[in-house]
Amino acid sequence: QVQLQESGPGLVKPSETLSLTCTVSRYSISSDYYWGWSRQPPGKGLEWIGIIYHTGSTYYNPSLRSRITMSLDMSQNQFSLKLSSVTAADTAVYYCARDRSKVAGPTGFDYWGQGSLVTVSS
Amino acid sequence: QSALTQPASVSGSPGQSITISCTGASSDVGGYRYVSWYQHHPNKAPKLIIYDISNRPSGVSDRFSGSKSGNTASLTISGLQAEDEADYYCGSYTSIVTYVFGTGTKVTVL
Repeated sequence: QVQLQESGPGLVKPSETLSLTCTVSRYSISSDYYWGWSRQPPGKGLEWIGIIYHTGSTYYNPSLRSRITMSLDMSQNQFSLKLSSVTAADTAVYYCARDRSKVAGPTGFDYWGQGSLVTVSS
Repeated sequence: QSALTQPASVSGSPGQSITISCTGASSDVGGYRYVSWYQHHPNKAPKLIIYDISNRPSGVSDRFSGSKSGNTASLTISGLQAEDEADYYCGSYTSIVTYVFGTGTKVTVL
């Protein structure tokens, strides 16, 4: 069974860059499938952030696109999210996950990490 | 992109059936088969329970079933159990090659 675990700072200052890493176990991210991120602000619903393929191909949420960078580290079997110029509105539990898609485009996440709370505050 | 529309809450008694709707547009729910449903218990990872409109992943109870008509997808939970009390989200592929979740529905077992 695929396992995912988020890691990164739990507190980020406004205007700085949020950085999270997802470590994948029991599956190689260099094989196939897309890998991605979602988030859930406190008291609100899920928001899709984006996905990345082992080729480096990415699909991002249009509302976040200008601030997002996703990358892969296949040697560590990890993928990462960077979100720049954060504000309090970016405070959320961030989930990494595997997308079911092996071809172009997101089709939904089948395996999820437990989530990592990131608070944006000075 | 706008979130898909779900009722804020649905409730039912143990053993009953409930249905949660998920309304979008022809550019997402209505146009593609990539509609999924997720069960989310507080402080846990969301769990995929339906994919491609009506398919269940291995290990998911057959009490969960999905369907779609036009721009609205539906999740039915039959034989409602206490453990089904959770938040449920739909999600769909979109015409601009992104993904969008629903607003979420809180299911309460009375």
